[in-house]
Amino acid sequence: DGGITQSPKYLFRKEGQNVTLSCEQNLNHDAMYWYRQDPGQGLRLIYYSQIVNDFQKGDIAEGYSVSREKKESFPLTVTSAQKNPTAFYLCASSATGTVLTGELFFGEGSRLTVL
Amino acid sequence: QKEVEQNSGPLSVPEGAIASLNCTYSDRGSQSFFWYRQYSGKSPELIMSIYSNGDKEDGRFTAQLNKASQYVSLLIRDSQPSDSATYLCAVLGGYNKLIFGAGTRLAVHP
Repeated sequence: DGGITQSPKYLFRKEGQNVTLSCEQNLNHDAMYWYRQDPGQGLRLIYYSQIVNDFQKGDIAEGYSVSREKKESFPLTVTSAQKNPTAFYLCASSATGTVLTGELFFGEGSRLTVL
Repeated sequence: QKEVEQNSGPLSVPEGAIASLNCTYSDRGSQSFFWYRQYSGKSPELIMSIYSNGDKEDGRFTAQLNKASQYVSLLIRDSQPSDSATYLCAVLGGYNKLIFGAGTRLAVHP
């Protein structure tokens, strides 16, 4: 079935460590997004990419990095520079033009906890 | 001021009642508005979109938009316990980015 796969679902990190969250889609979508969700704050955009080998910072990009070497993949690295990384991370994708209809397809999320 | 504001709730309604969820936004130039539903621990899913002033109905759901007052609402008729979730309002902003509100938690009790 087509969809977006995020892994791992749960991840624990020690302070000072970098971790990478995987996001893979087989929907043939051009655009991919990473959101962070904290209680009471809704979804905040970290990074987004509209085409391969190109990406832009969202509203809260500090302490994160991404790459878009393949259309299907948009991994997110949470670096040690991110001061409060404990959160629920959601990857999403959209076909060209469908972002105008608000139609984002989300993965099931990755819950990161810093010990 | 947040760009998209919602009452966090919880909004508690009895089964069969109408649930009314509200959202205000700050960018007067916004043209596209959406409601997502998110069950606890799950990812959001799009349930309604609205672009023009007035009402848009889809089954038990009605979205209402008033651009002059900068608010969007979602009505759920004949509320069911399965409607219990967090409802996220989203507005399409610059560079085609969706801006989400914090969400309103709805609890429908039997």
